[in-house]
Amino acid sequence: QSALTQPASVSGSPGQSITISCTGTSSDVGRYNYVSWYQQHPGKAPKLMIYDVSNRPSGVSNRFSGSKSGNTASLTISGLQAEDEADYYCSSHTGSNTLELFGGGTRLTVL
Amino acid sequence: EVQLLESGGGLRQPGGSLRLSCAASGFTFSTYPMSWVRQAPGKGLEWVSGISYSGESTYYADSVTGRFTISRDNFNNTLSLQMDSLRAEDTAVYYCAKYPRSGWYYFEDWGQGTLVTVSS
Repeated sequence: QSALTQPASVSGSPGQSITISCTGTSSDVGRYNYVSWYQQHPGKAPKLMIYDVSNRPSGVSNRFSGSKSGNTASLTISGLQAEDEADYYCSSHTGSNTLELFGGGTRLTVL
Repeated sequence: EVQLLESGGGLRQPGGSLRLSCAASGFTFSTYPMSWVRQAPGKGLEWVSGISYSGESTYYADSVTGRFTISRDNFNNTLSLQMDSLRAEDTAVYYCAKYPRSGWYYFEDWGQGTLVTVSS
């Protein structure tokens, strides 16, 4: 199974909105509503930002939102802030012995 | 507060073995599935292995099947990963990660990771 496909990098100015896509297949993203997103700052552990496509854990800003259409999921960050600059990874449940697939990661730069 | 503390990382030669541990606290460990996720230097995240809350069911990435063994001790609240026949490509930070109680759907909490280096 191949990793999910994400753009290598995205950028935006403070206050703007950006969207990161995550493309899989009908066996993972398209089949299950178990897409999650993680934020990772340099040298730190990943942090759950979105689960089950569009749910936010307690404590995560409502500037972060998720959606899915077909085999592609998306993470949108509105009102960009400097602290949002980080790497973002999507993940999907697969239903196979390889339980989870990650995307390759997207580096977000806040200009 | 959930805490996951990995240990056991280090330097090994190719073909060697290493055992990682993850000490869990702040939640009822025996009721949650758990997982190991790794990240090679400068690379993305890769799911490695998962284990059911009871330990009866285990799953592995193709890249580690037959070489790595995941296990858990629900009495001592510890998750382990036995790594045998190590390869250079196993070099990574290994994270212990907690699934939600509902199943294998996402990683609610992560440890800080332990670095494994495989090199001669």
